[in-house]
Amino acid sequence: GENVEQHPSTLSVQEGDSAVIKCTYSDSASNYFPWYKQELGKRPQLIIDIRSNVGEKKDQRIAVTLNKTAKHFSLHITETQPEDSAVYFCAASPGQGAQKLVFGQGTRLTINP
Amino acid sequence: SAVISQKPSRDICQRGTSLTIQCQVDSQVTMMFWYRQQPGQSLTLIATANQGSEATYESGFVIDKFPISRPNLTFSTLTVSNMSPEDSSIYLCSVEATGTGSFEQYFGPGTRLTVT
Repeated sequence: GENVEQHPSTLSVQEGDSAVIKCTYSDSASNYFPWYKQELGKRPQLIIDIRSNVGEKKDQRIAVTLNKTAKHFSLHITETQPEDSAVYFCAASPGQGAQKLVFGQGTRLTINP
Repeated sequence: SAVISQKPSRDICQRGTSLTIQCQVDSQVTMMFWYRQQPGQSLTLIATANQGSEATYESGFVIDKFPISRPNLTFSTLTVSNMSPEDSSIYLCSVEATGTGSFEQYFGPGTRLTVT
């Protein structure tokens, strides 16, 4: 089955700098790659996603890139702000039948003022 | 996106007992999913619930331990049976966004379960 690896497990950046989180997946049939942000005690929130027919997608300060050949995708956050501090999860959908999600291990992002 | 609620929001249960978690959505959805998030960990899919058919369980999860009901297109329940401390987790339901071709999944607020 699908396996998603996420790095780094923790990331600390200065406010205003950029943060990059990387994920790799194993199943070449996977076709949908969402990113979730989870604040302490809250539910995971979908922040951006990308499909396998697109190489890059941007939404304000957040962007996601996908390299299907290498089977990896990345989350880029620019001009980081303290409210970006959270745990971020990548996921992949194996693309067969129901769109279940296989999650990476998560990255705890801390923005230092 | 759909509005998803779960009951209870949290509970403390004794080992050997069972707890049923409810998930209610404000619109009809085809697929509902149940995930487990152990303390400080990622999310793991337990099963996929489709209305009118038996749930499909992921490897490592069995129906006897996690029976699921899906009586209609807006509601599902997950029961955690014969609980042990290892079942202490957050249990989340999720649904796919309605609309043609949408793969987006949204989560309920979760049920924090502590087994003593």
